[in-house]
Amino acid sequence: KNQVEQSPQSLIILEGKNCTLQCNYTVSPFSNLRWYKQDTGRGPVSLTIMTFSENTKSNGRYTATLDADTKQSSLHITASQLSDSASYICVVNSGTYKYIFGTGTRLKVLA
Amino acid sequence: GAGVSQSPSNKVTEKGKDVELRCDPISGHTALYWYRQSLGQGLEFLIYFQGNSAPDKSGLPSDRFSAERTGGSVSTLTIQRTQQEDSAVYLCASSTTSGSPYEQYFGPGTRLTVT
Repeated sequence: KNQVEQSPQSLIILEGKNCTLQCNYTVSPFSNLRWYKQDTGRGPVSLTIMTFSENTKSNGRYTATLDADTKQSSLHITASQLSDSASYICVVNSGTYKYIFGTGTRLKVLA
Repeated sequence: GAGVSQSPSNKVTEKGKDVELRCDPISGHTALYWYRQSLGQGLEFLIYFQGNSAPDKSGLPSDRFSAERTGGSVSTLTIQRTQQEDSAVYLCASSTTSGSPYEQYFGPGTRLTVT
């Protein structure tokens, strides 16, 4: 069964600290892996998209990694800000329009 | 430019009533997706439209759910005889189909509450 599992479920950190969110997947076929940020009451917004051959991609303070052999990905947030408080969703694209979504990690950044 | 818009943003309805949710995709995007997001769950695929092709309805949970896309643009998701388990956020997304991988752009969602 195609699955995307994320950990931790929730996380609280202090402003300025770094954190890493994890994503493990069992999805076949694999096309690409995406990380989305979803603010409360909003739709998800894309942070990074990585294909099979890419093992790291950055978007500002966000850096995603992908290990296609172990089927693991991580999202590292550097120097967190209050505005980083959101849910972060890992998504695996399996085929043209098939997307398997994780349940997300809810991050709260405290001042 | 304008993003994906959805209306209404919130809808409270009584059990048994019908509801219509609307999605306006980004102009020029040929692909349109509907998802359902329940509390604590990942986004659940409902239906996919691509141009003039027959939609993939494989994610619709029951025959009370239907969707259409008129003129290749605006889409409406209809839920008939609503049940309490239909309460969720319904998200619409659109994308182009040129230049893989395709970026999905999501609307803000419609929060449906069935009382």
